[in-house]
Amino acid sequence: ETGVTQSPTHLIKTRGQQVTLRCSSQSGHNTVSWYQQALGQGPQFIFQYYREEENGRGNFPPRFSGLQFPNYSSELNVNALELDDSALYLCASSLDLGSNQPQHFGDGTRLSIL
Amino acid sequence: SQKIEQNSEALNIQEGKTATLTCNYTNYSPAYLQWYRQDPGRGPVFLLLIRENEKEKRKERLKVTFDTTLKQSLFHITASQPADSATYLCALDPDSSASKIIFGSGTRLSIRP
Repeated sequence: ETGVTQSPTHLIKTRGQQVTLRCSSQSGHNTVSWYQQALGQGPQFIFQYYREEENGRGNFPPRFSGLQFPNYSSELNVNALELDDSALYLCASSLDLGSNQPQHFGDGTRLSIL
Repeated sequence: SQKIEQNSEALNIQEGKTATLTCNYTNYSPAYLQWYRQDPGRGPVFLLLIRENEKEKRKERLKVTFDTTLKQSLFHITASQPADSATYLCALDPDSSASKIIFGSGTRLSIRP
């Protein structure tokens, strides 16, 4: 059973650029959530996708957008990058929708904005 | 305001002792509460989930309690080992809508030999 994989592992961008981060869900999982984790903080919920539809969103501006594909893999897109967007971006998949579902995390993409 | 608070200071415990970590929340009514472990440079790993109608849950050396009156969960590691050193995160569903999970900021636990 393949776990959650994210790519790339590290990325350096400059302010104003756009970035796409990718996530492959664990086999059989139809729900994916994205989180932003600053150093020393817990993960902050960005949004969740269930069967290709956005199912919930945290307090992030519209320049953070996402997609979930028919194979349940997912992308996080961030436009007009700002210095404060520097963080670890985590993807987590779960077997199904529901707050009783354990989330299976990838090891994240470390994004640095110069 | 709504928030989740965990021990802000790192916790240093002697090997073999019981480590107890605290998660307090305000203005939420979660149906579930989860605990995760995170090692440096890695994503969080799920450990335990406890439901609002469960007082206690155990898994090997781990024990979680959930007091909805106090709005608090305690996470215990008995017979602690240096390999238990990590950051531990609590997480809950803020409105039982299944649309998001909110995490605390985590407690860094160090077990010294």
